[in-house]
Amino acid sequence: EDQVTQSPEALRLQEGESSSLNCSYTVSGLRGLFWYRQDPGKGPEFLFTLYSAGEEKEKERLKATLTKKESFLHITAPKPEDSATYLCAAAPSGFQKLVFGTGTRLLVSP
Amino acid sequence: GAVVSQHPSRVICKSGTSVKIECRSLDFQATTMFWYRQFPKQSLMLMATSNEGSKATYEQGVEKDKFLINHASLTLSTLTVTSAHPEDSSFYICSARRSSGGNTDTQYFGPGTRLTVL
Repeated sequence: EDQVTQSPEALRLQEGESSSLNCSYTVSGLRGLFWYRQDPGKGPEFLFTLYSAGEEKEKERLKATLTKKESFLHITAPKPEDSATYLCAAAPSGFQKLVFGTGTRLLVSP
Repeated sequence: GAVVSQHPSRVICKSGTSVKIECRSLDFQATTMFWYRQFPKQSLMLMATSNEGSKATYEQGVEKDKFLINHASLTLSTLTVTSAHPEDSSFYICSARRSSGGNTDTQYFGPGTRLTVL
């Protein structure tokens, strides 16, 4: 069964304290791995798509990496405005739909 | 680019009434759109996949007759919650994938619709 697991469930950081969020996946032939950010009461905002092991993508303080079993979202020197829930989703090969993890709630304190 | 809108953003209705939610891709064409619902502090639950010009594919446990989906054009899908009851109160979110021209794998999400049934 296709499955995506995110850890930790919640993470509290001080401003400037770098950390990483983990997304482990087991899907039948990965077509793509997606990261989204979701603020309370809003729809998910697209961040990155990763397709193959070893691929990395960056956007401001965020960097996403992919291995054959996991993806990491690295947050460098976070700011309070980075506080949100970060969702990871995997697309199996021949996919129509995404398999979502339950998300990591990130809180960055000033 | 890749902007998806939803209307309305919030709706409050009485039990037994029907509510229609619109999902539009504003700057791209979307052959495929998706409807999700999300409960507080939980992840997204896929309800159905909507394909332009054909019937929607519903996930197991989702009542087709209660959640009517119409995808009449390449930029518009609608979800109608028929005879709504308080247990249908939730946050409904749509997403769309580009038909062509750019990243056709990524789902772009709308801002969501908060439905409250009294």
